[in-house]
Amino acid sequence: RKEVEQDPGPFNVPEGATVAFNCTYSNSASQSFFWYRQDCRKEPKLLMSVYSSGNEDGRFTAQLNRASQYISLLIRDSKLSDSATYLCVVTPTNDMRFGAGTRLTVKP
Amino acid sequence: EPEVTQTPSHQVTQMGQEVILRCVPISNHLYFYWYRQILGQKVEFLVSFYNNEISEKSEIFDDQFSVERPDGSNFTLKIRSTKLEDSAMYFCASSSGTGGFYEQFFGPGTRLTVL
Repeated sequence: RKEVEQDPGPFNVPEGATVAFNCTYSNSASQSFFWYRQDCRKEPKLLMSVYSSGNEDGRFTAQLNRASQYISLLIRDSKLSDSATYLCVVTPTNDMRFGAGTRLTVKP
Repeated sequence: EPEVTQTPSHQVTQMGQEVILRCVPISNHLYFYWYRQILGQKVEFLVSFYNNEISEKSEIFDDQFSVERPDGSNFTLKIRSTKLEDSAMYFCASSSGTGGFYEQFFGPGTRLTVL
């Protein structure tokens, strides 16, 4: 099982759609979880941390299920500017382990 | 807003040569990291650095690689005897704390091309 596994994508959705990304991780000792976004040929940027209770930031909602070792990201009312690759990130120790990313394209 | 900077933005080198990639972390950060991303692949952790020593390294970070903080601002990654497969984007990151609860801020990356 890969350390961090994501939906392969790509996801192509119209503006205004709701889209959900899934991620699973193999190390049950992992303590911290994040979603980063990466635009083409740019550095990863933190989108949001993922907390056990779930958390929301505007149109973005992240959920964590420790028992299933599963993380999700929901984007509501998607915008053209949401087009990017979304990276699931897990920290089994002090370093970050990245998933391969799921590419999202939002079309007019 | 403070940011991590990296130089050069693009480095082209011949196979077998040594390269030094430079990073200036955010000034009050204490933890520093190098990651690499081969084109079309995932971001991979290389090494973390704290208090002038390596705190963790991945299996990728072998004897070919070394890191240094030569002064109070720069953080460098040296790759000796570069190979074709070292061609990748190298990202530096820094954070104010560790344990995963502190955001790591990434620099814009250095694209290394080994010919």
